[in-house]
Amino acid sequence: AQTVTQSQPEMSVQEAETVTLSCTYDTSENNYYLFWYKQPPSRQMILVIRQEAYKQQNATENRFSVNFQKAAKSFSLKISDSQLGDTAMYFCASGYEKLTFGTGTRLTIIP
Amino acid sequence: DTGVSQDPRHKITKRGQNVTFRCDPISEHNRLYWYRQTLGQGPEFLTYFQNEAQLEKSRLLSDRFSAERPKGSFSTLEIQRTEQGDSAMYLCASMGVGTGRYEQYFGPGTRLTVT
Repeated sequence: AQTVTQSQPEMSVQEAETVTLSCTYDTSENNYYLFWYKQPPSRQMILVIRQEAYKQQNATENRFSVNFQKAAKSFSLKISDSQLGDTAMYFCASGYEKLTFGTGTRLTIIP
Repeated sequence: DTGVSQDPRHKITKRGQNVTFRCDPISEHNRLYWYRQTLGQGPEFLTYFQNEAQLEKSRLLSDRFSAERPKGSFSTLEIQRTEQGDSAMYLCASMGVGTGRYEQYFGPGTRLTVT
């Protein structure tokens, strides 16, 4: 069984600042992927970034980057130069065939 | 390029009634997933299909739930004899296995309220 833990229920940061969201996971799988999804208020889930567990290099997508520590089973998301549109629930997920999600972090960007 | 679509977006039903939801995946995607999301929680896996074959069902999926994907394109999720505990957002996602990227793309969801 897989578990994903997000220990920060809520976070807030000033616009243009950098924020890091934490995620830890546990899995018995050898092959798996890790994801961060964004769910804006009343809108659908959007894929932010993906990391293959067999790759040591951390994934980066524009202002979004991850810090993947496989031995520690840690997968944090860093958002640089935060924007008002980044306000959303952020879910960490782990899986290969199917995804296991954490409980989410509600991120608010303050103007 | 159209994304994943779901219909209806909202459904209010009385306890004991049957409801059916539809999901249309991204056209070239052969995998289709159903998840359930309750308030304040992340999505929970229910079941998934590869083409028309249902490959896995969660223990969360009681006998009152059934899902089909008859022609390997759209899928339906039916809940029989609905209960108040079935109130949730039902999310559909699709993925193209051939891409090797294993990225699931979600639809807007169907919000079910059982009164």
